Amino acid sequence: KAGVTQTPRYLIKTRGQQVTLSCSPISGHRSVSWYQQTPGQGLQFLFEYFSETQRNKGNFPGRFSGRQFSNSRSEMNVSTLELGDSALYLCASSLFPGTSGLTGELFFGEGSRLTVL
Amino acid sequence: KNEVEQSPQNLTAQEGEFITINCSYSVGISALHWLQQHPGGGIVSLFMLSSGKKKHGRLIATINIQEKHSSLHITASHPRDSAVYICAVNSGGGADGLTFGKGTHLIIQP
Repeated sequence: KAGVTQTPRYLIKTRGQQVTLSCSPISGHRSVSWYQQTPGQGLQFLFEYFSETQRNKGNFPGRFSGRQFSNSRSEMNVSTLELGDSALYLCASSLFPGTSGLTGELFFGEGSRLTVL
Repeated sequence: KNEVEQSPQNLTAQEGEFITINCSYSVGISALHWLQQHPGGGIVSLFMLSSGKKKHGRLIATINIQEKHSSLHITASHPRDSAVYICAVNSGGGADGLTFGKGTHLIIQP
């Protein structure tokens, strides 16, 4: 079956702009989570969506937001971009959300690499 | 907040060697994940553990819940095993999302 698809794979923006990243999960998966990876901080949890509801959010400013659609596809948005937002943004899908008390294997996309100039 | 520590940070070994990567965490968890990341960024889930031991081919993962410790072993290592291996945990009932270790950079030389 098709894997997790993230678009775009690469993008360059300038400070102050905004960006929207998309994630299509594996068919049948209703949980989508987002992560930021930087050389300095490593991987950090951004947020998790399940059935169109945000289940939890990591320690990121309000400039970072997301949503999930009825077909389980998810988008994340970063407004007023800063240089420090340059990172690899990864999404992962699973059958169960982390807050469910159940645990499901995670399937990651290839990531969207954002460069802010 | 859970603190996840991995060791070693970097490991270079010869092909065929037995490899062990360690992960310890500070707070009780519902699950621990071992992930593999190759250059270019893509991440593959190797194991998800909540207790005991799992084996896939040459890879073995163990977890000791009482000790708050997990190990990833690679038997008969091969240059294609060269990658970053990352430990991640679900804790706080999942409310905190995943917390990640810094990763172990593994290089297997032919």
